[in-house]
Amino acid sequence: KAGVTQTPRYLIKTRGQQVTLSCSPISGHRSVSWYQQTPGQGLQFLFEYFSETQRNKGNFPGRFSGRQFSNSRSEMNVSTLELGDSALYLCASTRIGPNEQFFGPGTRLTVL
Amino acid sequence: TQLLEQSPQFLSIQEGENLTVYCNSSSVFSSLQWYRQEPGEGPVLLVTVVTGGEVKKLKRLTFQFGDARKDSSLHITAAQPGDTGLYLCAGENGGNQFYFGTGTSLTVIP
Repeated sequence: KAGVTQTPRYLIKTRGQQVTLSCSPISGHRSVSWYQQTPGQGLQFLFEYFSETQRNKGNFPGRFSGRQFSNSRSEMNVSTLELGDSALYLCASTRIGPNEQFFGPGTRLTVL
Repeated sequence: TQLLEQSPQFLSIQEGENLTVYCNSSSVFSSLQWYRQEPGEGPVLLVTVVTGGEVKKLKRLTFQFGDARKDSSLHITAAQPGDTGLYLCAGENGGNQFYFGTGTSLTVIP
């Protein structure tokens, strides 16, 4: 069974631009979560989608948004990029019973 | 809110030594996961523990879930350079919300 895939793996953007990241979960997993990881803050939860609905949300500004499609694939968007948005963005899909998250390789975003 | 504290934050040991990493919380979790992450990659799930007092062994790695389901430990016997990485614990609250620990960066020197 294929794992979680994320595209692109690397991105370089400039301040003020926007970016869209994509995540395909493991087949059969309906829940997708997004995290931001930085050396100083560790893993910070952004949001979780289940059956195309945002079910949980972390404490991030409205510039960070996401959506999920009917095939469970998910995208996250960051608008008006700031230097502090430079991070590894991780997507995880959840297997139920007990709930276990499986992570993709991440997208490394650098904002210049 | 950071609900899980890991200790130590950094650990550098010689190959062949034993080590223990701790994951502590004041919250009760339905289950707890341990992950290992290498630089630039996503965390890889090592184990999930669900029952208070549960002990799971994965080759040289032993995982224990506290009786009250608030804490956990990871013990590595005879560490090898391939064990080097960032170890993360994560507690799940039963509602598919995962709370990650602060991480323990392990370096095993050959």
